Amino acid sequence: QMQLQESGPGLVKPSETLSLTCNVSGGSISRYYWSWIRQPPGKRLEWIGYVFFSGFTNYNPSLKSRVTMSVDTSKNQFSLELTSVTAADTAVYYCAGHPGAIRHFDYWGQGTLVTVSS
Amino acid sequence: EIVLTQSPGTLSLSPGERATLSCRASQSIDSNYFAWYQQKSGQAPRLLIYGGFSRATGIPDRFSGSGSGKDFTLTISRLEPEDFGVYYCQQYSSAPRTFGQGTKVEIK
Repeated sequence: QMQLQESGPGLVKPSETLSLTCNVSGGSISRYYWSWIRQPPGKRLEWIGYVFFSGFTNYNPSLKSRVTMSVDTSKNQFSLELTSVTAADTAVYYCAGHPGAIRHFDYWGQGTLVTVSS
Repeated sequence: EIVLTQSPGTLSLSPGERATLSCRASQSIDSNYFAWYQQKSGQAPRLLIYGGFSRATGIPDRFSGSGSGKDFTLTISRLEPEDFGVYYCQQYSSAPRTFGQGTKVEIK
């Protein structure tokens, strides 16, 4: 049973870059695809994008210009960077794993709240 | 992108009752790429149903998924106290994958 845990700053200033890391334990990061999903307060879940252990990525077109995802196989971690953040990027950010590029989300992290505010 | 609309917004039921949750898509979806999740307050979503009707590991058989085209349903045959929470539908048939806005199942 794989477990995921997000980490990163809980507060980011407007126009700066949001950076989060997801640590994967209980299995190899090369087995799955890895997504970031967020949920702004009172709003629905929004898929941000995914990364594969090879480095292949696929992003939501609505965020593509500001998103970068990467994998560190030596640490069994993957990361999210979101540039030029605004208050609209305030959300609970989840990392999640899925067994294929076009598959359901099997594993989820607990989520981490990131607030964008000066 | 495909918009998923869930109904009702809130379902107030008693333990032992049957719950029927609906999800309507803005365009037709391949049912093999449809999922349902349960989320309890302060917790991550948990996968219940994938591929339209397949139960995830450890999910009891009182949960069932059905539907095709634009209309999908999650049925909980007899509510248990631990079933109360928010339920989300999700499609991964068309990029980008999208979620419904959620149905809250609360104790009556």
